[in-house]
Amino acid sequence: EVRLVESGGGLVQPGGSLRLSCTASGFTFVNFNMNWVRQAPGKGLEWVSFISSGITTTHYADSVKGRFRISRDNAKKALYLQMSSLRADDTAVYYCATEGFDDWGQGTLVTVSS
Amino acid sequence: EIVLTQSPATLSLSPGERATLSCRASQSVSFYLAWYQQKLGQAPRLLIYDASKRATAIPARFSGSGSGTDFTLTVSSLEPEDFAVYYCQQRYHWPLTFGGGTRVQIK
Repeated sequence: EVRLVESGGGLVQPGGSLRLSCTASGFTFVNFNMNWVRQAPGKGLEWVSFISSGITTTHYADSVKGRFRISRDNAKKALYLQMSSLRADDTAVYYCATEGFDDWGQGTLVTVSS
Repeated sequence: EIVLTQSPATLSLSPGERATLSCRASQSVSFYLAWYQQKLGQAPRLLIYDASKRATAIPARFSGSGSGTDFTLTVSSLEPEDFAVYYCQQRYHWPLTFGGGTRVQIK
């Protein structure tokens, strides 16, 4: 069974940084591209970032480009999202998802507020 | 970026009725369009990918059609568990984008 578990969310002040993690199990992580998607409270879905299985390719939404960095550790079966210069509009539940968006984690809430 | 416009914003129907949801892209996405269902407090669930292919374990009452800029998700006969929010997503061009969603609620 595929399992994705996000962690690292919490309350952070505007301008601060946070690193999210997503640990994977139940599939061969090293073979899969991965994504981050977020959802602001009461709002729709927003794709955030993509990383290829071999870590050679990354893509970002314009709203986070230059502030967020996606990475992965295939040996640890882990996906990361380093977020910096956080703003109030980054407040959202952040989900990790497999390349085809077939499988999603339960999400971790990031709140940016003073 | 490709903008996806979903209509209607809200659909009020009764169980057993047919639901027809629309997604229109600002430019062609070929057939690289997916549909998701999301219930309150849950992660989205993939229903349809490549415009018309049902994802694993998705019931046959869900079907997708379309190509280019106009797409449709049809639920042939609504079950009580189908009342939820539905999103389309294009996977043709970076950045990937989602539509704003259609809420299917009980009439």
